[in-house]
Amino acid sequence: AQSVAQPEDQVNVAEGNPLTVKCTYSVSGNPYLFWYVQYPNRGLQFLLKYITGDNLVKGSYGFEAEFNKSQTSFHLKKPSALVSDSALYFCAVRGPLSGGYNKLIFGAGTRLAVHP
Amino acid sequence: DTEVTQTPKHLVMGMTNKKSLKCEQHMGHRAMYWYKQKAKKPPELMFVYSYEKLSINESVPSRFSPECPNSSLLNLHLHALQPEDSALYLCASSQPLQGATEAFFGQGTRLTVV
Repeated sequence: AQSVAQPEDQVNVAEGNPLTVKCTYSVSGNPYLFWYVQYPNRGLQFLLKYITGDNLVKGSYGFEAEFNKSQTSFHLKKPSALVSDSALYFCAVRGPLSGGYNKLIFGAGTRLAVHP
Repeated sequence: DTEVTQTPKHLVMGMTNKKSLKCEQHMGHRAMYWYKQKAKKPPELMFVYSYEKLSINESVPSRFSPECPNSSLLNLHLHALQPEDSALYLCASSQPLQGATEAFFGQGTRLTVV
């Protein structure tokens, strides 16, 4: 079964430092992986996705993610964190086709707190 | 325009009320979704519409009734809800359903059932 795991409930980073939010996946077949961010009382915003090709994917707001097939990981990264990056981050994977639809399977979420 | 618009932003309703949540997108997406999200949890899929037809119902209670009047609009009709139905309800849309397409989410409706 397709699944993603976000092993950290919360990540704390000082402003200006690099940040990493971890995600590991388990899929059969080719993984389609996504990162979304959610600010308080808001919907999810799409950050980036991996389909195929270059293992380093660049996304919105300076975020990037590194796809590692051998480690089955898709960690989200940013070279220099901003206080405004503080939010809830979800990793997701497309599940198997069912009813004509690849269900989006979300991880539990990681809360990122960037301190001044 | 990559916007999905949901109304209202907040809704308080009694357990005997009937209300509707509305969602609109003008990106030409032919797949639209309703999700339910409890605090500090990931979104849970409720319904999927593909080309205005209901494709997926994730065993949602009948007190939730979705409707897709056209390719741009999605409604969620609510009737006789329970306090445990209080949550953030998210609408999303995407290109046709398979594979690598990302979904775009609205800001959600914060529903409180009293």
